[in-house]
Amino acid sequence: QQQVKQSPQSLIVQKGGISIINCAYENTAFDYFPWYQQFPGKGPALLIAIRPDVSEKKEGRFTISFNKSAKQFSLHIMDSQPGDSATYFCAALFNAGGTSYGKLTFGQGTILTVHP
Amino acid sequence: SAVISQKPSRDICQRGTSLTIQCQVDSQVTMMFWYRQQPGQSLTLIATANQGSEATYESGFVIDKFPISRPNLTFSTLTVSNMSPEDSSIYLCSVEDLTRQGGKQFFGPGTRLTVL
Repeated sequence: QQQVKQSPQSLIVQKGGISIINCAYENTAFDYFPWYQQFPGKGPALLIAIRPDVSEKKEGRFTISFNKSAKQFSLHIMDSQPGDSATYFCAALFNAGGTSYGKLTFGQGTILTVHP
Repeated sequence: SAVISQKPSRDICQRGTSLTIQCQVDSQVTMMFWYRQQPGQSLTLIATANQGSEATYESGFVIDKFPISRPNLTFSTLTVSNMSPEDSSIYLCSVEDLTRQGGKQFFGPGTRLTVL
């Protein structure tokens, strides 16, 4: 199975709050898990990514938590700002190491709205 | 990260016609990918384009409908042939950045296609 399931479909958060988006995968061959942020009319932008050998990665206000045994990973946006309002996609990739090339399998997307 | 441009940025086309979308990268890349994003939906991989060889198409996509060219390491085209309203989507190209640890894919701004 190559599915990546993402929830929730939409999320409304107050400014300063924590936004949490969850993803689950089935295939244990996935070895790279990026998150993309997409604003209307723009292409997806790589936000942060993690490999299964670590349980957490933090970059500024964005943190990925990874649970290998549960085959789940999540994006946490701390101190959410109205400028964070966008669609967020999780993804998973095979053969991300070395010189192998893989194709991204995307989750369904989460529309995040941060109210001022 | 690589800088990716796409032309046209948007177009409105008549049913039965074809449109060729161009993707230009500012550095040489081995693999380029073409994705489709239907309105309000996630991204679906159409094909992987490797310079000097035939593109590899994903299930549900065929060369007659979506011919791809990859004449060099910085350029690719995707043609949407014999269009119907169901082809109305955003078409995105992406590249994998091998200057960093494998797996980082970056997207162009997309081509928004409307078929009447």
